[in-house]
Amino acid sequence: AQKITQTQPGMFVQEKEAVTLDCTYDTSDPSYGLFWYKQPSSGEMIFLIYQGSYDQQNATEGRYSLNFQKARKSANLVISASQLGDSAMYFCAMSYPDRGSTLGRLYFGRGTQLTVWP
Amino acid sequence: DSGVTQTPKHLITATGQRVTLRCSPRSGDLSVYWYQQSLDQGLQFLIQYYNGEERAKGNILERFSAQQFPDLHSELNLSSLELGDSALYFCASSVGGSYQETQYFGPGTRLLVL
Repeated sequence: AQKITQTQPGMFVQEKEAVTLDCTYDTSDPSYGLFWYKQPSSGEMIFLIYQGSYDQQNATEGRYSLNFQKARKSANLVISASQLGDSAMYFCAMSYPDRGSTLGRLYFGRGTQLTVWP
Repeated sequence: DSGVTQTPKHLITATGQRVTLRCSPRSGDLSVYWYQQSLDQGLQFLIQYYNGEERAKGNILERFSAQQFPDLHSELNLSSLELGDSALYFCASSVGGSYQETQYFGPGTRLLVL
């Protein structure tokens, strides 16, 4: 069953504008973590931001913020003041305790290709 | 630079062959994960090790095996390779393997099976 859904295969934004990348998740476990990763065309996976299920505040890291709406099971990534270097594939991922332990693997969405134009 | 290293970066081989992918985790990280990224399957978890012990298995084929050594580096062995095994293989590491910890990814090994 799909645990992470990213409905936007591609998004376009003009430089210096803000953009929101959508992510919804599915879990019945109250404990989980939500992550966003960036994958440039060179292929590496770069960690951007983390939100825990019990965190009261939305996570922020520089120009990245996570709009966490627990009741709606959504964890959208907001990138402010887009730069040309932000053009990449963005993946939302979720982790939750594995079979009663605290260990967790990442479940990834299919990604959103962001293109920033000048 | 995440601090996770993977070798080789690229690998081209033929069907039926066997290859070994190597990963060194970040200094201090005890947990290593392997993921496969392909166009049709996306990013999929294969296996997790913690301090030398296998802790979780995902969609890993029986032709694939892995281990984590006492110095914490890990190897992923892929045998009887098929065309469909062509993919980008990532290693990631975290401190203790908890679901709350960030996993830092290596640059990946791009495998092409001809």
